[in-house]
Amino acid sequence: GAGVSQSPRYKVAKRGQDVALRCDPISGHVSLFWYQQALGQGPEFLTYFQNEAQLDKSGLPSDRFFAERPEGSVSTLKIQRTQQEDSAVYLCASSSRLGGAQGNQPQHFGDGTRLSIL
Amino acid sequence: QKEVEQNSGPLSVPEGAIASLNCTYSDRGSQSFFWYRQYSGKSPELIMFIYSNGDKEDGRFTAQLNKASQYVSLLIRDSQPSDSATYLCAVNPAPYNTDKLIFGTGTRLQVFP
Repeated sequence: GAGVSQSPRYKVAKRGQDVALRCDPISGHVSLFWYQQALGQGPEFLTYFQNEAQLDKSGLPSDRFFAERPEGSVSTLKIQRTQQEDSAVYLCASSSRLGGAQGNQPQHFGDGTRLSIL
Repeated sequence: QKEVEQNSGPLSVPEGAIASLNCTYSDRGSQSFFWYRQYSGKSPELIMFIYSNGDKEDGRFTAQLNKASQYVSLLIRDSQPSDSATYLCAVNPAPYNTDKLIFGTGTRLQVFP
């Protein structure tokens, strides 16, 4: 597709439920990133993939958060036993190829999923 | 100290003026620097990126990087009301084995007619 596509756009869940957020990156993009953005803050890194390999998951806040990209294209971020503090906008971004000596390729963001935990 | 710092603003400038947005970062080995614009309720949109010391111009936008001072800025010439948004500075930190970005909290820009 033309841009990064995320679904659903909005998700409301009760505390304790599991949720799954989907990201479809720009076609051909090697790298895929997940960020969490709280109101009034900048995005905070969660995890990223190069093709199907999860190379950095240092930003995942707890073991309730899990991400996968099994075929190197679509990715799913799963949050188990949701808590109220998980309420945020979850942003997915992709970039075209690996960073090189000159610098990292720019990341392009999807519209995000706004998650509300009641 | 936060890894990427920005003044939260709001920065108010009149239409037609130059808006100057500033960002400092703590990791001296950082290599790549990005500016994103984010309208309220929308996702970040890439404006500029810069890798080398000096200036990089694209239309009304100029990014400036000074690695010795660990400082990156964004200038917007001939500011328009449609430029009113939050501007996010993002840095790829060293060591150079992760592509993640560290974002500042953003500076809110208001351009008034």
